[in-house]
Amino acid sequence: GAVVSQHPSWVICKSGTSVKIECRSLDFQATTMFWYRQFPKQSLMLMATSNEGSKATYEQGVEKDKFLINHASLTLSTLTVTSAHPEDSSFYICSAAYTNEKLFFGSGTQLSVL
Amino acid sequence: DQQVKQNSPSLSVQEGRISILNCDYTNSMFDYFLWYKKYPAEGPTFLISISSIKDKNEDGRFTVFLNKSAKHLSLHIVPSQPGDSAVYFCAASVSGTYKYIFGTGTRLKVLA
Repeated sequence: GAVVSQHPSWVICKSGTSVKIECRSLDFQATTMFWYRQFPKQSLMLMATSNEGSKATYEQGVEKDKFLINHASLTLSTLTVTSAHPEDSSFYICSAAYTNEKLFFGSGTQLSVL
Repeated sequence: DQQVKQNSPSLSVQEGRISILNCDYTNSMFDYFLWYKKYPAEGPTFLISISSIKDKNEDGRFTVFLNKSAKHLSLHIVPSQPGDSAVYFCAASVSGTYKYIFGTGTRLKVLA
């Protein structure tokens, strides 16, 4: 299968700081990437759709100014959690759209905001 | 409004037996379905997919069945192995959008 790399895998930060998470498709070009968030023992909740060269599309209830998404190339999308607060602590996962309707996922980033 | 539901949060199965994981959806526009396996603090791993033009897809030990009229799909794992122990998610989308809605997951435990 296709490889999607996500890092960092784990980050701890102070409240009020910003954190950037990178998602790269290593062996294919992904015009569309997706960002999900997962709380413990819950499902993956789609946050936003990241389109190369255009603005991201955010799901209802997701603050676009809090979660900045940049998809500057066909292999890289970034999610920046701005002015992070403890309630932003979560597991964030990216995925990239591959052929034949499939999504391939990164390994996820555990964010802990103190 | 949970469009994709996995009503069994957990399932325990003896090694060698069949594991059956179920998934129901409400949106009749969904026409493509995926199953993923996930370990804690890792990203999901793709297992198998099915399009609504089929009612069955098989890949090794994994078979997915789709009942469109019931809006129900199931994943069968035969024979189950201890390494299959993980959380399994089903996901549904409208083909071409890649915008998948995930179920809440079922934790499978295969007992040796």
